[in-house]
Amino acid sequence: DTAVSQTPKYLVTQMGNDKSIKCEQNLGHDTMYWYKQDSKKFLKIMFSYNNKELIINETVPNRFSPKSPDKAHLNLHINSLELGDSAVYFCASSQGWSGSGRAYEQYFGPGTRLTVT
Amino acid sequence: GIQVEQSPPDLILQEGANSTLRCNFSDSVNNLQWFHQNPWGQLINLFYIPSGTKQNGRLSATTVATERYSLLYISSSQTTDSGVYFCAVVRQTGANNLFFGTGTRLTVIP
Repeated sequence: DTAVSQTPKYLVTQMGNDKSIKCEQNLGHDTMYWYKQDSKKFLKIMFSYNNKELIINETVPNRFSPKSPDKAHLNLHINSLELGDSAVYFCASSQGWSGSGRAYEQYFGPGTRLTVT
Repeated sequence: GIQVEQSPPDLILQEGANSTLRCNFSDSVNNLQWFHQNPWGQLINLFYIPSGTKQNGRLSATTVATERYSLLYISSSQTTDSGVYFCAVVRQTGANNLFFGTGTRLTVIP
């Protein structure tokens, strides 16, 4: 059973299009994240949701809009795609978040490689 | 934010050799994880180790939180160990997101 899954695995699209990436976790976790890995392999947080509420929103263009319909899903919608959006996007989840005074192990999905042409 | 530095940036080993990867961080943390990103791009959890020592087969890790560093040991390396190894931390104060180091790229040659 896949713990954190993402669809699609690969996404090739043209500049200006709108696209979505879906993420689902079956671990019963409360917290989910989106991370971006750039062409130099650097990984950085984009968003975090806890119990469907946004708790982290890093300096990300507002063309990126996360949506959490329930605790098990966190989708990422990107409007007006640009060349610089090409990257690998990873979804992750953890049991909780550090606002409760603990830190929890994070589990990552397989990644979605987005190529904007 | 917190600075996470990994060394060495690149490492080439003969199959069967041992190696030590290091991760230094600039602030107090309450989570530290080691990941292996394989050549297919998957991020595989190796260790969740905010402090202490853990072992899993040929891999082991030690985190000395008071001195702000962690070490990952790979013994009897195999070609399947090739890939990029990332250290990532969660700051003791603040939100729960991981701050990643820049990674160590390991190549194991037969």
